[in-house]
Amino acid sequence: DAKTTQPPSMDCAEGRAANLPCNHSTISGNEYVYWYRQIHSQGPQYIIHGLKNNETNEMASLIITEDRKSSTLILPHATLRDTAVYYCIVRELNSGYALNFGKGTSLLVTP
Amino acid sequence: DTGVSQDPRHKITKRGQNVTFRCDPISEHNRLYWYRQTLGQGPEFLTYFQNEAQLEKSRLLSDRFSAERPKGSFSTLEIQRTEQGDSAMYLCASRLTAGTEDYEQYFGPGTRLTVT
Repeated sequence: DAKTTQPPSMDCAEGRAANLPCNHSTISGNEYVYWYRQIHSQGPQYIIHGLKNNETNEMASLIITEDRKSSTLILPHATLRDTAVYYCIVRELNSGYALNFGKGTSLLVTP
Repeated sequence: DTGVSQDPRHKITKRGQNVTFRCDPISEHNRLYWYRQTLGQGPEFLTYFQNEAQLEKSRLLSDRFSAERPKGSFSTLEIQRTEQGDSAMYLCASRLTAGTEDYEQYFGPGTRLTVT
């Protein structure tokens, strides 16, 4: 799986959009970008994934650059409950293998 | 609650003792994964099962670790002769694989092990 690079920490004011960047310059053509998050003392939780088109679901939006070397996870209206560690993971679709989490970005949403 | 349960949630043991953790996945999920997470790090893969078959083991899984998934349902992870370095959160995840569809992994709440 390609490696990813994320900032170690970010802050965001409650109600504002949180934009979490991820670099994955060695991504290959059949690898998808996945985002998970982990709230303190809980197991990781799936957020969203995409290949090259932008994706949106009830939790977040995923914007992938045209060259696919980077992406941004957007939480449109961050709440205090969005405070968590966010992991960007690159892997092949339907890969049976485990997720390679890295250290992620610790997002702090402040009142 | 994701539907994946783990027991116990917390375990304190003395160095040298054996411990066993249990994971109950979502019932129709055929894949089950074990991860370990130490403070400040993301989860690291240990091993995974496809039904009852253990298909892959990480280099992190020393000879003191053994995992089983009898009958392809619940799974157990045993650590023998625990060491202080085994102190971590042990996470279980399950996933459904079916044809070309891709389904995410659902994680349990984890078992926090402290070795004194």
